[in-house]
Amino acid sequence: NAGVTQTPKFQVLKTGQSMTLQCAQDMNHEYMSWYRQDPGMGLRLIHYSVGAGITDQGEVPNGYNVSRSTTEDFPLRLLSAAPSQTSVYFCASSYSGSADTQYFGPGTRLTVL
Amino acid sequence: KQEVTQIPAALSVPEGENLVLNCSFTDSAIYNLQWFRQDPGKGLTSLLLIQSSQREQTSGRLNASLDKSSGRSTLYIAASQPGDSATYLCAVRINNNDMRFGAGTRLTVKP
Repeated sequence: NAGVTQTPKFQVLKTGQSMTLQCAQDMNHEYMSWYRQDPGMGLRLIHYSVGAGITDQGEVPNGYNVSRSTTEDFPLRLLSAAPSQTSVYFCASSYSGSADTQYFGPGTRLTVL
Repeated sequence: KQEVTQIPAALSVPEGENLVLNCSFTDSAIYNLQWFRQDPGKGLTSLLLIQSSQREQTSGRLNASLDKSSGRSTLYIAASQPGDSATYLCAVRINNNDMRFGAGTRLTVKP
């Protein structure tokens, strides 16, 4: 199993540009999440999905969209990038919700100029 | 609102020392608590998961305890090694879909 994979590893955008961060898992996990990690702060939940076709907002959803058309994939879209979105983004998955270990991808480091 | 705090923010110890990392949280209504390891430029690796009904979990040289009533967890690392150098994060699951993370403790183990 590849586990949780993310692409790209690094990305530089200009303010106002849009892009999609890709996330895929091959563990047949129902739950998938997107977090951002900023210096000196813990990870914060952006959006999550409890299964194909079902998504919801987390703690910091503004400026981001998600969709879940398949169990394996959970892309994160930045609609109009802003410098405040400079961060490291992590995708995570788990078999179910509360009782299970979360598995994290390697992260995407995004810089918005 | 659930807040998770990890103290100290950084810790440096000589190889072979036993050490304790601390995690505190403000709301005892949690589903579980998880300790992660993060190496520079890498993702998070789960170390130990403690369910809300449990008091501790052990894996090799690692032992994590949970005291829900006082809002505290500790991660004990025995006989530390340079390979243990990393940032250690704790996170509490506050509902079926969300976790709250601490900012982490950056551990350096000197040979």
